[in-house]
Amino acid sequence: DIQMTQSPSTLSASVGDRVTITCRASQSIISWLAWYQQRPGKAPNLLIYEASTLESGVPSRFSGSGSGTEFTLTISSLQPDDFATYYCQQYHSSPGTFGQGTKVEIK
Amino acid sequence: QLQLQESGPGVVKSSETLSLTCIVSSGSISSSTYYWGWIRQSPAKGLEWIGSVSKSGSTYSNPSLKGRVFISIDTSKTQFSLRLTSVTAADTAVYFCARLPGSSTWYFDLWGRGTLVTVSS
Repeated sequence: DIQMTQSPSTLSASVGDRVTITCRASQSIISWLAWYQQRPGKAPNLLIYEASTLESGVPSRFSGSGSGTEFTLTISSLQPDDFATYYCQQYHSSPGTFGQGTKVEIK
Repeated sequence: QLQLQESGPGVVKSSETLSLTCIVSSGSISSSTYYWGWIRQSPAKGLEWIGSVSKSGSTYSNPSLKGRVFISIDTSKTQFSLRLTSVTAADTAVYFCARLPGSSTWYFDLWGRGTLVTVSS
């Protein structure tokens, strides 16, 4: 299976900050990567697919980039609703595998 | 708007079979190219893809679950189901059902709320 590694595991930030989360794959996944946001007690919510395509209804402050083995999720100006855990998922090879998550906390 | 809702027992005894159903409401399960899947989440393993099924009944399951996964679909009832046999404490998790956009786009664009299943001894 392809291993997905996110960094950092926890990130402390303030409202208005620019935040970047990194996801690395153990082998090339081209651009077959999705990002999800999960709030406590809720299901994950799709933010981005194909590395950089914003899902319908997702605020434009979220953006994704990267290809091959290194990817980033950026929140341009952190809002109160954005304090949550973020996961990447590769879908280049089956089974699709997830990163371990990055928790964005209030500083 | 299409909604997914998991249903099934919250507690399953060790060595028995876990059975869950995902009811799809406010939309069709059969008139599209979507696939339907199951994911689980536990503190030990994080998010783990269990398997998926197409409207025609073609299935894929995660090899790590060693043939214990059976997924089926009932388009007349707009629901799909998961059976996981010979469960152990390691199968204790929150189980989610979800929609996949298509046969070659295996991410999840719509999720159920999830249901906690505890394996008891």
